[in-house]
Amino acid sequence: GDSVTQMEGPVTLSEEAFLTINCTYTATGYPSLFWYVQYPGEGLQLLLKATKADDKGSNKGFEATYRKETTSFHLEKGSVQVSDSAVYFCALNTNTNAGKSTFGDGTTLTVKP
Amino acid sequence: ETGVTQTPRHLVMGMTNKKSLKCEQHLGHNAMYWYKQSAKKPLELMFVYNFKEQTENNSVPSRFSPECPNSSHLFLHLHTLQPEDSALYLCASSHAGQGAFIGELFFGEGSRLTVL
Repeated sequence: GDSVTQMEGPVTLSEEAFLTINCTYTATGYPSLFWYVQYPGEGLQLLLKATKADDKGSNKGFEATYRKETTSFHLEKGSVQVSDSAVYFCALNTNTNAGKSTFGDGTTLTVKP
Repeated sequence: ETGVTQTPRHLVMGMTNKKSLKCEQHLGHNAMYWYKQSAKKPLELMFVYNFKEQTENNSVPSRFSPECPNSSHLFLHLHTLQPEDSALYLCASSHAGQGAFIGELFFGEGSRLTVL
């Protein structure tokens, strides 16, 4: 079956530090890949996505590149802010899994001033 | 701005109560989902509805009963719950599966349930 493995947290960084959250996956079909973010007290919201190999998703200074050869979709940001403190989820879905998205366990990021 | 609205945002109930969670989406999607998010546990898919038909019941206990009267509304009826059912219940919607491209999920803000 499909699975997503992401870097364990929690991750604590100082403001303006560089962020990487690793994500690797296994999938039976050709997946689309996503990063979702959950701010405190809220639901999940899409941060960025990529639907085919070598695509780069980007939003709010965050980036992730779909690497089929390494089955990875690592999230990066060059300079984090306190407002980026949240839980980040890597996820995939394919046309073969009847509408089910597969999520990683989430990585909690705390950014300190 | 979210196109998926969940009510109530917070709910406290006893183990013998019956209550319902409501979800409404204004995005024109035809697939809707219930997820359970518990502290220190992975996100759990509970139910999937595709064009109002339930296509997934992920071994959820019968004390949780979903209802999807149309493609814009989804309910989760709760009865005789246990304290371990306390969690954040998230509703989501998307364009449908059935072999078509699904795309991303759009989540509501969740209903925080506490079972006493």
